[in-house]
Amino acid sequence: AQSVTQLGSHVSVSEGALVLLRCNYSSSVPPYLFWYVQYPNQGLQLLLKYTSAATLVKGINGFEAEFKKSETSFHLTKPSAHMSDAAEYFCAVRTMDSNYQLIWGAGTKLIIKP
Amino acid sequence: ETGVTQSPTHLIKTRGQQVTLRCSSQSGHNTVSWYQQALGQGPQFIFQYYREEENGRGNFPPRFSGLQFPNYSSELNVNALELDDSALYLCASQLELNTEAFFGQGTRLTVV
Repeated sequence: AQSVTQLGSHVSVSEGALVLLRCNYSSSVPPYLFWYVQYPNQGLQLLLKYTSAATLVKGINGFEAEFKKSETSFHLTKPSAHMSDAAEYFCAVRTMDSNYQLIWGAGTKLIIKP
Repeated sequence: ETGVTQSPTHLIKTRGQQVTLRCSSQSGHNTVSWYQQALGQGPQFIFQYYREEENGRGNFPPRFSGLQFPNYSSELNVNALELDDSALYLCASQLELNTEAFFGQGTRLTVV
């Protein structure tokens, strides 16, 4: 069965500092991996996705993630945090069964300190 | 703006009641999935509809049911509400099964 683990329910960084949100997955087949962002009282917005092409994936708002098969990781990074990045971030893996559902991590709340 | 609209945005119901949540997908999207997101957790897959037929179900009891209509709208029905059903309910629409999922803003259900 596929699963996703996000390390750290809360991550706090200073404005302008590097953002690193960790995601590890478990999958018996080559995974499709996603990062979504959720702002307060809103739905989920796709940041970026890995679909077995380039291992370094660039997304919206300056975020990127690197797929590392040897480490079963798909960590999300941004070189310089902005106050508007404060939100909850979810990593997800898509199943390869008939409904291609998303299996989600528990989320990491990103806090930006001024 | 994802083009996916959910209604209502907030709802308070009493334990034992029934509730219907609605989702309007993007035009042409044949697939809709519903997720339950409890406070402080990631979303959990409830079920999926593809071309108006149920196409998969997560670990939810039968009192959670749904419908998908030809006009790309869908419903999530929950009978005999329990306190633990309090959560944010999200619908996601897709053009096809293996394409990008677009999420609505969710319905916050509180059961008292």
